[in-house]
Amino acid sequence: EVQLVESGGGLVQPGGSLRLSCAASGFTSSSFEMNWVRQAPGKGLEWVSYMSSSGSIIYHADSVKGRFTMSRDNAQNSVYLQMNSLRAEDTGVYYCARLSATAIGSFDYWGQGALVTVAT
Amino acid sequence: QSALTQPPSASGSPGQSVTISCTGTSSDVGGYNYVSWYQQHPGKAPKLMIYEVNKRPSGVPPRFSGSKSGNTASLTVSGLQAEDEADYYCGSYAGSTFYLFGTGTKVTVL
Repeated sequence: EVQLVESGGGLVQPGGSLRLSCAASGFTSSSFEMNWVRQAPGKGLEWVSYMSSSGSIIYHADSVKGRFTMSRDNAQNSVYLQMNSLRAEDTGVYYCARLSATAIGSFDYWGQGALVTVAT
Repeated sequence: QSALTQPPSASGSPGQSVTISCTGTSSDVGGYNYVSWYQQHPGKAPKLMIYEVNKRPSGVPPRFSGSKSGNTASLTVSGLQAEDEADYYCGSYAGSTFYLFGTGTKVTVL
């Protein structure tokens, strides 16, 4: 069974840093393009970051460019989101999502989400 | 990077149909046949319902269907059931912007 489990969320002060982890099981994450999608409280979904299966290509939304970066550890079958210079508007639930290899351009599996709260 | 435009709400009685629109531009919805639809119940992760405009993943009931005309995609839920009450988001590959989601539509089953 395919599963994605996020961890590392929490309360952080503005300007601080946090690292989210996404542990994959039931498939080899290095064979898939992985993403992070976030949702502010009571708001819609926002794509945040993408990493190719090889890890050589990374894209970020303009709203986080220069502050967030993705990485992966194939031995741990995990991907990560390093978030620096956090702002109040970064508050929300962060989902790890797999880009489908067959259903082109869609996210076929999602984690349960990790809550990030940026506040004093 | 602007979100795709969806109506904030839609509703229908059990057994009726509801259609949700998703309007973008020629750089996203209109430029690629990579429109997806996601269902999200409160406190839960989104679930893929439609991909590549009109294809259903295994396990999604056939009463969910998708279409596209120009820069606007649509999701239709036929034969509404109580469990269909949820938020629905469209999503589209968007070239250099990579991916955009819609603003979301809350579907209420009356």
